[in-house]
Amino acid sequence: RKEVEQDPGPFNVPEGATVAFNCTYSNSASQSFFWYRQDCRKEPKLLMSVYSSGNEDGRFTAQLNRASQYISLLIRDSKLSDSATYLCAVKDPGSARQLTFGSGTQLTVLP
Amino acid sequence: GAGVSQSPSNKVTEKGKDVELRCDPISGHTALYWYRQRLGQGLEFLIYFQGNSAPDKSGLPSDRFSAERTGESVSTLTIQRTQQEDSAVYLCASSLNRVSYEQYFGPGTRLTVT
Repeated sequence: RKEVEQDPGPFNVPEGATVAFNCTYSNSASQSFFWYRQDCRKEPKLLMSVYSSGNEDGRFTAQLNRASQYISLLIRDSKLSDSATYLCAVKDPGSARQLTFGSGTQLTVLP
Repeated sequence: GAGVSQSPSNKVTEKGKDVELRCDPISGHTALYWYRQRLGQGLEFLIYFQGNSAPDKSGLPSDRFSAERTGESVSTLTIQRTQQEDSAVYLCASSLNRVSYEQYFGPGTRLTVT
């Protein structure tokens, strides 16, 4: 089993839709969690950290489910500009490499 | 402020040649990472530098790959005797320190081995 797994998609949704992605992780002791956004042929950019109690930033909501070992990203009222690949990243304790990234979920918002 | 910069942005090389890729991290960031991303794939960890500690080289795919870092600044990733399977985007990222897990990425170097 991969350390961090994501549904690769693609997710094709109409403008204004609500869409959610999950990311599962294998190490129950994992500590910190992040969502990154990567536009086509661009570098990943930090979208938001994921806090234990869940957190919101505008139309974006991130949640952590430790019991089931997954994090989620919810996008409300999706915009054309939300089209991108969304990568989750997980910090494992004792890992010198710091973050392990998922392979990403591709989202396309359609007009 | 200035972000992570990488050079060159694109590199085309012939199979068997050596290449050197450069990364300038954000000023003051002590941690530096190299990743490889093949087309349509996720990020593959290569190497991690933290301050003056010995680097974590556990992700380097073969002994043709090596990297150096001068103090807490510039890093170079060298690939010797390049192969076609080395074609990918090589991304560099930096973070503030050992306990700051937020990584900031450079634009990458797109390497094509012909």
